[in-house]
Amino acid sequence: NAGVTQTPKFQVLKTGQSMTLQCAQDMNHEYMSWYRQDPGMGLRLIHYSVGAGITDQGEVPNGYNVSRSTTEDFPLRLLSAAPSQTSVYFCASKDRAFQETQYFGPGTRLLVL
Amino acid sequence: AQSVTQLDSQVPVFEEAPVELRCNYSSSVSVYLFWYVQYPNQGLQLLLKYLSGSTLVKGINGFEAEFNKSQTSFHLRKPSVHISDTAEYFCAVSDGNNFNKFYFGSGTKLNVKP
Repeated sequence: NAGVTQTPKFQVLKTGQSMTLQCAQDMNHEYMSWYRQDPGMGLRLIHYSVGAGITDQGEVPNGYNVSRSTTEDFPLRLLSAAPSQTSVYFCASKDRAFQETQYFGPGTRLLVL
Repeated sequence: AQSVTQLDSQVPVFEEAPVELRCNYSSSVSVYLFWYVQYPNQGLQLLLKYLSGSTLVKGINGFEAEFNKSQTSFHLRKPSVHISDTAEYFCAVSDGNNFNKFYFGSGTKLNVKP
């Protein structure tokens, strides 16, 4: 049982490049989410999903796309990276009911030059 | 949308001393409150949560928090800290309007000194 896994651990991009951050969980959780963590700002919700085929926007969705084709995977796409997207990205998952605990992945550190 | 305020960005404390980390949230009809801990270069781990019922919530590692609806606060406390408690602590909230959206505070770095 690996929990929530994220790849890559670290990535450097040039402005305008695209990439996909991968997130997978093996706990059969319906809810998955993406956050970005910036110094002094805590974590901010980018997108979330309550099941395969269902996604919704969080607090800071601009510049990011998501899709959820399977229960296990929830990739985050940057279509045209900008320096403002330099951040640490965390994926999390939980069972759908409101009282369930969210489990976080180890994070992906992204640097956009 | 909810907002969460953690006024103390850093809290230095000596080992075995008590500590309180403060968290205030914007008012709402109903809220669910959480405290997470983040050790260096790791993801977040849940310490405790308030969903309903008793306002005093006990969590892992000897931490506890008290929900105060009138003051819209959810302060985290530990009566005696250890060096291993050195980490960053985040308060988070979701509410009854959409419990799928979580809002985090800016974090408090707890530095426990020997």
